Amino acid sequence: SQQGEEDPQALSIQEGENATMNCSYKTSINNLQWYRQNSGRGLVHLILIRSNEREKHSGRLRVTLDTSKKSSSLLITASRAADTASYFCATAPYGNNRLAFGKGNQVVVIP
Amino acid sequence: GAGVSQSPSNKVTEKGKDVELRCDPISGHTALYWYRQRLGQGLEFLIYFQGNSAPDKSGLPSDRFSAERTGESVSTLTIQRTQQEDSAVYLCASSWLAGGAYEQYFGPGTRLTVT
Repeated sequence: SQQGEEDPQALSIQEGENATMNCSYKTSINNLQWYRQNSGRGLVHLILIRSNEREKHSGRLRVTLDTSKKSSSLLITASRAADTASYFCATAPYGNNRLAFGKGNQVVVIP
Repeated sequence: GAGVSQSPSNKVTEKGKDVELRCDPISGHTALYWYRQRLGQGLEFLIYFQGNSAPDKSGLPSDRFSAERTGESVSTLTIQRTQQEDSAVYLCASSWLAGGAYEQYFGPGTRLTVT
């Protein structure tokens, strides 16, 4: 079953603006990952945050994790048209080797 | 190096026919996963293989679905007696080891259409 739930599920912003999306989950986790998918093709890994980390940066991406609230956020700063994609969070529950993917956030960046 | 490849990229089949989808993982990756993604939906886990361990088949939706993997290389996903609800993109991913600590590398997917 899908564990991650992203919010909002669709976001439309102007180029240069920041995009923020959230993900909630239900069980205890080892890690949480964010992936990007362009045009219904394969997913590309963006960032992994461990359960003992609260914030992580990678380029224009900033991920936070609040294990007490069982939620994570992904912030894309200074968005570009090329950031238009669907973004998925995926959680790795304890004792389980498979990732549970959310339903995804569709982000459209308008040039 | 080469990424994960899948074939065919598109497959149109008639209801009731069997189909076989192929995945070539990244060399050296011991874990291989299959997912199904219906239009506009998230990823639905189907099965994963880790080395020589018994595969986790808990996500297969029915006994019409099966998968095999030869050692730590190629995997095939077989769908027998296809139904229209099987229409989806089937994604394969591989990782160094199974588990959430390892990022998964995805192939481009096979778009299956059952008419």
